[in-house]
Amino acid sequence: GESVGLHLPTLSVQEGDNSIINCAYSNSASDYFIWYKQESGKGPQFIIDIRSNMDKRQGQRVTVLLNKTVKHLSLQIAATQPGDSAVYFCAENRNTGFQKLVFGTGTRLLVSP
Amino acid sequence: DTAVSQTPKYLVTQMGNDKSIKCEQNLGHDTMYWYKQDSKKFLKIMFSYNNKELIINETVPNRFSPKSPDKAHLNLHINSLELGDSAVYFCASRRTSGGLNQETQYFGPGTRLLVL
Repeated sequence: GESVGLHLPTLSVQEGDNSIINCAYSNSASDYFIWYKQESGKGPQFIIDIRSNMDKRQGQRVTVLLNKTVKHLSLQIAATQPGDSAVYFCAENRNTGFQKLVFGTGTRLLVSP
Repeated sequence: DTAVSQTPKYLVTQMGNDKSIKCEQNLGHDTMYWYKQDSKKFLKIMFSYNNKELIINETVPNRFSPKSPDKAHLNLHINSLELGDSAVYFCASRRTSGGLNQETQYFGPGTRLLVL
């Protein structure tokens, strides 16, 4: 399934499916992007990052794709598990001489067994 | 062995009171941040310190005063608390290296502030 990360939408998938969470970022000068996972009652947890000189990066079960032309970032989760249920945030670095992360509005992922 | 810790975890207080939230990191990082997350989960940066020096101040009311006694600690003091201050406050830290500013920020568990 797919979703766009606006107004905290919800993406519901079945266990074992692949999930795609999308994010539109705003600043074409942003040079670094991070995906965070936030479980209920916890702080954001780093998942994967990508620099602007790359268009794809893979981790364990996760892949981040960056399309600078349309300022779009996506997070793909393979074989989604119930433990993946959380709110996912993309963040872009407005490199103003210091790192300043600007977060998207988040997407809630619900995984059904 | 918690990397970024915050105290207290919950804070319930009356409007007009003054309160402090504390953050400590044992990662050896030199840059720390405070974020505010509202009821709609929107996460926004408030302050950042690098080596005890304030480097980011994001149009936050001056009732909020961060203090960094050393690189491992960043506290947040809030005067004259208002209803709108109710939120979850997160501390984060990262190690700076080189000039690219492309290192991961690690977040604490959050402090849930409720102003009545």
